[in-house]
Amino acid sequence: NAGVTQTPKFRVLKTGQSMTLLCAQDMNHEYMYWYRQDPGMGLRLIHYSVGEGTTAKGEVPDGYNVSRLKKQNFLLGLESAAPSQTSVYFCASRSPASGTDTQYFGPGTRLTVL
Amino acid sequence: SQQGEEDPQALSIQEGENATMNCSYKTSINNLQWYRQNSGRGLVHLILIRSNEREKHSGRLRVTLDTSKKSSSLLITASRAADTASYFCATTPGGYSTLTFGKGTMLLVSP
Repeated sequence: NAGVTQTPKFRVLKTGQSMTLLCAQDMNHEYMYWYRQDPGMGLRLIHYSVGEGTTAKGEVPDGYNVSRLKKQNFLLGLESAAPSQTSVYFCASRSPASGTDTQYFGPGTRLTVL
Repeated sequence: SQQGEEDPQALSIQEGENATMNCSYKTSINNLQWYRQNSGRGLVHLILIRSNEREKHSGRLRVTLDTSKKSSSLLITASRAADTASYFCATTPGGYSTLTFGKGTMLLVSP
């Protein structure tokens, strides 16, 4: 059981470039989340999904798009990267059937936009 | 906006001492959770306390919740160097499937 995995681990982009971050989970969780974490800050929710084919906006969705074509994968896209998107991105998942709101996190992707 | 606010922002103690971190939140909640983040890693769930509970224990962890004051505390007893990490509280507002995190307390435990 790998849990939640994220690829890539590190990436450097130039302003205006695009990229996709991949999150995969093998726990058959319904819900998946993308967060960003900036220095001295907690995690802020970008987008989330409560099931295959569904997505919803979080606290800071601007500049990002997401897709949940398969239950186990949740993709985060940056169409035109900006320096303000330099951050560490975390994916998480949870199962509503567990009866708790506990989320399981991936190791993170460190993104730098020059 | 961030729901929870941890206090203190940073805490430095010696091994064997107890560490106490506090969290305040703004709106009513279903439950409150505490997570740990080691440097450069993802968050790991530590403990969850429901809104109808006042205290909960798990190993060296003790969590209290005071819904009238909208606050929680996390106590780590007999701290070890391996407890060095950032600790975040997270809340679930009623009816939502998302978590709202505080900014965290950075704990340093020196040998």
